[in-house]
Amino acid sequence: AQTVTQSQPEMSVQEAETVTLSCTYDTSESDYYLFWYKQPPSRQMILVIRQEAYKQQNATENRFSVNFQKAAKSFSLKISDSQLGDAAMYFCAYGDGGSQGNLIFGKGTKLSVKP
Amino acid sequence: ETGVTQTPRHLVMGMTNKKSLKCEQHLGHNAMYWYKQSAKKPLELMFVYNFKEQTENNSVPSRFSPECPNSSHLFLHLHTLQPEDSALYLCASSQVSGGAIGANVLTFGAGSRLTVL
Repeated sequence: AQTVTQSQPEMSVQEAETVTLSCTYDTSESDYYLFWYKQPPSRQMILVIRQEAYKQQNATENRFSVNFQKAAKSFSLKISDSQLGDAAMYFCAYGDGGSQGNLIFGKGTKLSVKP
Repeated sequence: ETGVTQTPRHLVMGMTNKKSLKCEQHLGHNAMYWYKQSAKKPLELMFVYNFKEQTENNSVPSRFSPECPNSSHLFLHLHTLQPEDSALYLCASSQVSGGAIGANVLTFGAGSRLTVL
């Protein structure tokens, strides 16, 4: 069975600095998708970034980028120029590419941003 | 309204009560999901409806009963719950193409915070 591990329950970053959140996963599949979701204190979870496993190029979305290491099964999220609004729970998720797949989430990392 | 709307936002119920959670999506998606979010645990998928047909039921106790009357509405009927069922219940939707559910981006609602006394 696939698993997703986020080893950092909490992280803290100074405003305008860079922080990296780690995520590892375990799968025997070759076709899959990886996601980072953000859940601010208001609770509505939103997508931050999505990576297709068959693409070698790391996905980027403005200040958010990933370091996807397929062989190591690692999918870390880098947040550059951190802002106060980045404070949230961040969830890493794995999606199987098959018809019966669904998203498997990690336990999350709580990110605090210090002014 | 846009996005995924969940009601009620907060619900307190006794163990003998019957209540329902409602979810509505205005995105034209064809799949809807119920997730349970408990403190310090990963999100747990409870039910998936793909094209209104239930395709996943991850060993959820029968005291939780889903209903999907159409592709825009999803309900979670609750009865004789236990205190350990207290959690945030999240509804989500996605547009599934080619049958690859796991490839799709989920749009979540804000959740219904359930407390069972």
